[in-house]
Amino acid sequence: GESVGLHLPTLSVQEGDNSIINCAYSNSASDYFIWYKQESGKGPQFIIDIRSNMDKRQGQRVTVLLNKTVKHLSLQIAATQPGDSAVYFCAENMEGGSEKLVFGKGTKLTVNP
Amino acid sequence: DGGITQSPKYLFRKEGQNVTLSCEQNLNHDAMYWYRQDPGQGLRLIYYSQIVNDFQKGDIAEGYSVSREKKESFPLTVTSAQKNPTAFYLCASRTYDLGQGSGYTFGSGTRLTVV
Repeated sequence: GESVGLHLPTLSVQEGDNSIINCAYSNSASDYFIWYKQESGKGPQFIIDIRSNMDKRQGQRVTVLLNKTVKHLSLQIAATQPGDSAVYFCAENMEGGSEKLVFGKGTKLTVNP
Repeated sequence: DGGITQSPKYLFRKEGQNVTLSCEQNLNHDAMYWYRQDPGQGLRLIYYSQIVNDFQKGDIAEGYSVSREKKESFPLTVTSAQKNPTAFYLCASRTYDLGQGSGYTFGSGTRLTVV
């Protein structure tokens, strides 16, 4: 069945370091992936997305890598700042399928000053 | 500014009572969704609607009901049949025009507590 999971529930980094958050997915038919950031008591905020016809996409300080061979997704945050502290979720969607966005359990990122 | 509004932010319910959570969007989005989030967990889909007067069950629809009489509104009722309703509820809407972002917009959530 569809499921999206994360390798680590928590990640702690020093301010200025690069962060890498990983995600595994199981539905090989999924063709659209999104990373969200969620701060405590708030709704998820879009960070970056990637379609299955790409293996890398860059945004401002963030990069998403997609490895379809092993069904793995990662989010890289460059020069991590205290404001990056939050829970990060990956989500997958199958365009033209059930129209459901399936979320992983999340990784809590803590940035130490 | 366009957006999606959930109300109330905090809600307390006595056991055995039904309660309705509001979700309104002025983004002209066709699809709307309800998710439930438990502490330390990801979001699980309760119900979704791709068009007015139509909706489908998500993965955890038991004990919940929805309606979609207007494009802008997708209220969620948590019924007394929902055995563990205490959670953070998130509403989202989606456009299929992917000019920017993921097309999904989330509300700020309603925290429901059963007392």
